[in-house]
Amino acid sequence: NAGVTQTPKFRILKIGQSMTLQCTQDMNHNYMYWYRQDPGMGLKLIYYSVGAGITDKGEVPNGYNVSRSTTEDFPLRLELAAPSQTSVYFCASRARGGQLSDEQYFGPGTRLTVT
Amino acid sequence: QKEVEQNSGPLSVPEGAIASLNCTYSDRGSQSFFWYRQYSGKSPELIMSIYSNGDKEDGRFTAQLNKASQYVSLLIRDSQPSDSATYLCAVSGAGSYQLTFGKGTKLSVIP
Repeated sequence: NAGVTQTPKFRILKIGQSMTLQCTQDMNHNYMYWYRQDPGMGLKLIYYSVGAGITDKGEVPNGYNVSRSTTEDFPLRLELAAPSQTSVYFCASRARGGQLSDEQYFGPGTRLTVT
Repeated sequence: QKEVEQNSGPLSVPEGAIASLNCTYSDRGSQSFFWYRQYSGKSPELIMSIYSNGDKEDGRFTAQLNKASQYVSLLIRDSQPSDSATYLCAVSGAGSYQLTFGKGTKLSVIP
């Protein structure tokens, strides 16, 4: 079990460029999440998905898009990158079910710099 | 807006001491509570979850929950230098798909 994997680990973008951050999980989890973490600011939810074909906005969705065509994959698309999107991005997943399946498991993260 | 508050620290404790990390939350309907450990440059790692009032122990870690006071804490006994990290408190409401995270408390265990 690889758990949650993310690619790339690091990326530098120029202002206005676009890119896709990849996230894959092999735990057959229904729920998947994208967070960004800025220094001293905690984790902010960007988008989440409760299953293939179903996505919804989190707290900070502007400038991002997602899709969920399979249970395993949940890519995050940045269009027209801006310096404000410089951050560390984490993907997470959790099982569907009762209270004891609330636990979210995180991927290793992607460190993105926009200059 | 749901809020989770933590003292940002840094909290410094000597090796072998008990480290006490605290977290308060604003949503009285919150049902699930988690502690994540995050080493510098790494991703958050789940170390404890607690769902009912009282204490839950796992090795050197004890989570304590008091829903009436809207307070959750993490005790680390016999603290080791390897425990030096940022500890994130996370809270989920009933039937919610989402976690709300605190900003984290940085713990430093001094040898």
